[in-house]
Amino acid sequence: EVQLLESGGGLVQPGGSLRLSCTASGFTFSSYAMTWVRQAPGQGLEWVSGITGSGGNTYYPDSMRGRFVISRDNSKNTLYLELNSLRVDDTAMYYCAKGDSGIATSATHWGHGTLVTVSS
Amino acid sequence: EIVLTQSPATLSLSPGERATLSCRASQNIYSSLAWYQQRRGQAPRLLIYDASHTATGIPARFSGSGSGTDFTLTISSLEPEDFAVYYCQHRSSWPPTWTFGQGTKVEV
Repeated sequence: EVQLLESGGGLVQPGGSLRLSCTASGFTFSSYAMTWVRQAPGQGLEWVSGITGSGGNTYYPDSMRGRFVISRDNSKNTLYLELNSLRVDDTAMYYCAKGDSGIATSATHWGHGTLVTVSS
Repeated sequence: EIVLTQSPATLSLSPGERATLSCRASQNIYSSLAWYQQRRGQAPRLLIYDASHTATGIPARFSGSGSGTDFTLTISSLEPEDFAVYYCQHRSSWPPTWTFGQGTKVEV
């Protein structure tokens, strides 16, 4: 059974940083792209970043490139998201999701999310 | 940049009725579209991929259709657990960035 468990969320001040983790099990982690998607309170889904199975390629929307960094450690079956220069509007539930292939076109499985709150 | 527009924003139906949700792309995306369901307080769940392929474990009452710019998610007969928010999603060819529609809420 595929399982994804996010951690690392919490309360942080504007301008601060956080590192989110997503521990995966139940599949060959290195064979699949992974992605982060966030959801602000009461809002829709927003894609944050993606990474190929090998970790050699990463992708971001223009609005998040330069502040957020996605990475993975295939030896630990763990996906990471480093959030820097956080703003109040980065407050959201952050989900990690497993792609359907080496370069994902959809997310087949999702974690339960970790909540990031940016507030002074 | 491809924009996905979902309609209607809210669909008010009763259990047993048929639900028809629309997702329109701003340009031709062939069959590269997925649909997700998000129940209140839960993570999203993949329903449909490649426009018309049902994901593993998804009940047969869910079906997807369409290609090009117009796509439809159909729930043939609503069950109580189907009242939720539904999102469409596309991944661009290059760079491989993702776009979500704004969602359709199916309510009682």
